[in-house]
Amino acid sequence: GAVVSQHPSWVICKSGTSVKIECRSLDFQATTMFWYRQFPKQSLMLMATSNEGSKATYEQGVEKDKFLINHASLTLSTLTVTSAHPEDSSFYICSARVMSAATEAFFGQGTRLTVV
Amino acid sequence: AQSVSQHNHHVILSEAASLELGCNYSYGGTVNLFWYVQYPGQHLQLLLKYFSGDPLVKGIKGFEAEFIKSKFSFNLRKPSVQWSDTAEYFCACVINTDKLIFGTGTRLQVFP
Repeated sequence: GAVVSQHPSWVICKSGTSVKIECRSLDFQATTMFWYRQFPKQSLMLMATSNEGSKATYEQGVEKDKFLINHASLTLSTLTVTSAHPEDSSFYICSARVMSAATEAFFGQGTRLTVV
Repeated sequence: AQSVSQHNHHVILSEAASLELGCNYSYGGTVNLFWYVQYPGQHLQLLLKYFSGDPLVKGIKGFEAEFIKSKFSFNLRKPSVQWSDTAEYFCACVINTDKLIFGTGTRLQVFP
């Protein structure tokens, strides 16, 4: 299957700083990328949907000014957690899909963010 | 609101037992349905998917799922589980939009 790479795999940062997470589709062009957050022993909660070249669509309750998403090209989307706080500590996962909803989504390996 | 629900949160089985994990979605239109598996410390991987056609879908590693439109269900089955099937299983659905919505997940533990 297609490969989606997330970087970094884990990051520890201080409260108040910002962290950028990258999501790349390595061997295909992803018109749509999704960002999810997974709490321990819970499901993936969709945070936002980003389409290349347009603004991301955020789910209800997700602060768009805190979680900045940029999808500048067909192979790269970034999530920036701004002014991070300990409650932002979580596992963030991106996924990418080719073309239409009728295709499977491929997932990155996730990024473990710990804010201290 | 559109949603996906998985009723079994934690399932414990012995090897060779049969498995059925429930998944229901709440939407009356066209849906695309998926089952994903997450082995400990690994990425989510696709087990199988349903878009249209034969409602009985066969996936990898001996898994299958049946789409029953009248019941809004897409249950996952395997006739004989193995210890290596221990993982978290997620049902997911694309409902009329680009969004892939996940169920709450089912943790499966298989004991030898």
